[in-house]
Amino acid sequence: DSGVTQTPKHLITATGQRVTLRCSPRSGDLSVYWYQQSLDQGLQFLIQYYNGEERAKGNILERFSAQQFPDLHSELNLSSLELGDSALYFCASSRDGGSIGETQYFGPGTRLLVL
Amino acid sequence: DQQVKQNSPSLSVQEGRISILNCDYTNSMFDYFLWYKKYPAEGPTFLISISSIKDKNEDGRFTVFLNKSAKHLSLHIVPSQPGDSAVYFCAASARSSGSARQLTFGSGTQLTVLP
Repeated sequence: DSGVTQTPKHLITATGQRVTLRCSPRSGDLSVYWYQQSLDQGLQFLIQYYNGEERAKGNILERFSAQQFPDLHSELNLSSLELGDSALYFCASSRDGGSIGETQYFGPGTRLLVL
Repeated sequence: DQQVKQNSPSLSVQEGRISILNCDYTNSMFDYFLWYKKYPAEGPTFLISISSIKDKNEDGRFTVFLNKSAKHLSLHIVPSQPGDSAVYFCAASARSSGSARQLTFGSGTQLTVLP
């Protein structure tokens, strides 16, 4: 158990809908990352937050947004969903997100299926 | 443009033998490398890492080798055990913007250890 929790585990929705994925980092970790893993692909970095502020952006679509709250949990919002958004979405956390040698610890993921 | 490549999607080895998983990268700015292991329906789990100032790091049955001139790293598992059967991801870390660091993942190698 990495200490990172994600809800829900599974989500089935229809095209055009909006969903929210939730992540709670490990105790003491200030940085949260979101990744997308499509079928047979590696993990694609979406976005990073540090202590409530956006720190880095990767290949995140404009239809997607995220935020980190004062209690450090994070939410990833996916809107106007398309079939191609079906994927595993992972959250990871780390101590500060800027130190060399720092390890990211991953949650179990949310499997999103868009029909 | 894939900056981190794992060219072997799958690898099968006999229990007790050595497993060698390979990873190539193109970005010279990567200065820290990690290997993660992933079982089905779970998030990636950190396995072992290496800084770019070293060429070898060992942890029990796992050893990671880094060849900076060839931009190549490899993970050796000796002896391999059936419980090692999983997808292995290579990841590389670099400073992205400001004080942020970003992980770039390969597409993974499915290791199967045969009893």
